Amino acid sequence: KAGVTQTPRYLIKTRGQQVTLSCSPISGHRSVSWYQQTPGQGLQFLFEYFSETQRNKGNFPGRFSGRQFSNSRSEMNVSTLELGDSALYLCASSFGQGDIQYFGAGTRLSVL
Amino acid sequence: SQQGEEDPQALSIQEGENATMNCSYKTSINNLQWYRQNSGRGLVHLILIRSNEREKHSGRLRVTLDTSKKSSSLLITASRAADTASYFCATDSGGSNYKLTFGKGTLLTVNP
Repeated sequence: KAGVTQTPRYLIKTRGQQVTLSCSPISGHRSVSWYQQTPGQGLQFLFEYFSETQRNKGNFPGRFSGRQFSNSRSEMNVSTLELGDSALYLCASSFGQGDIQYFGAGTRLSVL
Repeated sequence: SQQGEEDPQALSIQEGENATMNCSYKTSINNLQWYRQNSGRGLVHLILIRSNEREKHSGRLRVTLDTSKKSSSLLITASRAADTASYFCATDSGGSNYKLTFGKGTLLTVNP
């Protein structure tokens, strides 16, 4: 069974641009969560989607948004990029809420 | 905000030795999980322990949970160079607003 796939693996953007990251969950998993990892703040929860509905959101500004499609694939979008948005963005999928989350390899975003 | 705090922040041992990492958390939990991350890549799930469990084993891993002290420990026995990684504990509080809250991690280096 294929694992969680995140694309692209690396991105370089400039301040003010926007970016879209993609996540394909493990087949059969309906919950997708996103996390941001930085050296200073560590791993922080962004949001969680289940059956195309956002069920929970972390403490991030409105520039961070996401969505989930009917096939459970998810995208997250960051608008008006800031230097501080440089991070490793991790996606995790699980069968349902409370089940083990399986992580993708991440997308490393660099904002110049 | 960080829920778990791992201790120590860094640990260096020789191959064959045991490694113990500790995690403390602040609020009541439903589950506590341990993850491993190799050099800025995705997280690999190691073990989940529920709040009503005290100890769990998986191969060379042993996890204990003391809810009265709000702490957990991860023991890796007979360590190998391939165990070199960062180790994170993650907690969840259950409920409808499910999310994982991570500690800042312990960087384990196993020297051959």
